[in-house]
Amino acid sequence: KQEVTQIPAALSVPEGENLVLNCSFTDSAIYNLQWFRQDPGKGLTSLLLIQSSQREQTSGRLNASLDKSSGRSTLYIAASQPGDSATYLCAVRRAAGNKLTFGGGTRVLVKP
Amino acid sequence: DTAVSQTPKYLVTQMGNDKSIKCEQNLGHDTMYWYKQDSKKFLKIMFSYNNKELIINETVPNRFSPKSPDKAHLNLHINSLELGDSAVYFCASRQVGTSGTGELFFGEGSRLTVL
Repeated sequence: KQEVTQIPAALSVPEGENLVLNCSFTDSAIYNLQWFRQDPGKGLTSLLLIQSSQREQTSGRLNASLDKSSGRSTLYIAASQPGDSATYLCAVRRAAGNKLTFGGGTRVLVKP
Repeated sequence: DTAVSQTPKYLVTQMGNDKSIKCEQNLGHDTMYWYKQDSKKFLKIMFSYNNKELIINETVPNRFSPKSPDKAHLNLHINSLELGDSAVYFCASRQVGTSGTGELFFGEGSRLTVL
């Protein structure tokens, strides 16, 4: 059974600092991994999707890496801004038609 | 032009009542999901439909009955509501297979409070 863990559960950084968010999964036979952002009282917004054949994906200040063999993914957010404050969740899919298993999320606060 | 929309956004009701949440996606996706997010913010899948067919049914009480009239709609009906059903319910959709990236898109959520 796939288990997805995100540590730490909460993170507070001053504005301008780079953010590093960790995601680990127990079963390395994944189809893809997706990072989401959730603002309070809102739905989830997809940030990056990494297919199992890829090592990383980039979008603006965001970069996500994937190391299947070690069961890890890292989301980097460069030069953090107060608007980056949110909960970040990672989720892995084991096979093309299978369900997504979510981590518990990391709650990020970027202080001005 | 919201991609995945759910109604209602908020629902407050008494124990024992029956309620429904509706979901529609205009992305042309063939697969839709219902997720439950509890007070600790853990997201758990409940159901998945592919082209109107049920393909995932997690261990959910049979008081919960999903219905997919067509591949753009997936509704959730809950009978005999209990206090523990209070949560935020999210609808999501994606395109399975090589015709899409498989990226999952979520609705804004429906917050259900059972009193």
